[in-house]
Amino acid sequence: DTAVSQTPKYLVTQMGNDKSIKCEQNLGHDTMYWYKQDSKKFLKIMFSYNNKELIINETVPNRFSPKSPDKAHLNLHINSLELGDSAVYFCASSTWALAEQFFGPGTRLTVL
Amino acid sequence: KNEVEQSPQNLTAQEGEFITINCSYSVGISALHWLQQHPGGGIVSLFMLSSGKKKHGRLIATINIQEKHSSLHITASHPRDSAVYICAVLERGGSQGNLIFGKGTKLSVKP
Repeated sequence: DTAVSQTPKYLVTQMGNDKSIKCEQNLGHDTMYWYKQDSKKFLKIMFSYNNKELIINETVPNRFSPKSPDKAHLNLHINSLELGDSAVYFCASSTWALAEQFFGPGTRLTVL
Repeated sequence: KNEVEQSPQNLTAQEGEFITINCSYSVGISALHWLQQHPGGGIVSLFMLSSGKKKHGRLIATINIQEKHSSLHITASHPRDSAVYICAVLERGGSQGNLIFGKGTKLSVKP
């Protein structure tokens, strides 16, 4: 069974649309993360979340919002998609902040 | 200037060679991670360390907190080691679990 899964794997959409990427972990971890990997393959944190606190990277536009229906899921909603949002988005989880992180397979988002 | 710098950016080696990838950082840290990103895109955590040295198979990671430097060594390299190796630090006092990443070192091991 996949430890951290993301759907969809690929997402192609038009500018201006609203889309969501789902993330689920079956590791029983308390903390989940979203990362963005740009075209130059540079990874950057977008959000971290546990059942008590959401930490948002201040550089992330408010068009991006994480939603956690329960401890095992952290979905990423993106409103009014822009060309610059095209990237690979990775979800990850860990037991706590100082623990090893386990990554999902990534979702390649292409905005046309 | 990025808070986490890796060198080299690209590295080509012959199978069997000993490989070293370096990571320097400019902030106080709680921990340092070494990650491997496969050509297919998946990311795997190799090590997390806050002091000393860790070994797993042919991989060795060391860290010198005073010098703010870490190295990843691969002994007896193999073509299947070809990947991007990424150093990431957890800044001390920073937001929970939020890693700051280096730009990665692309390793290609030729048979």
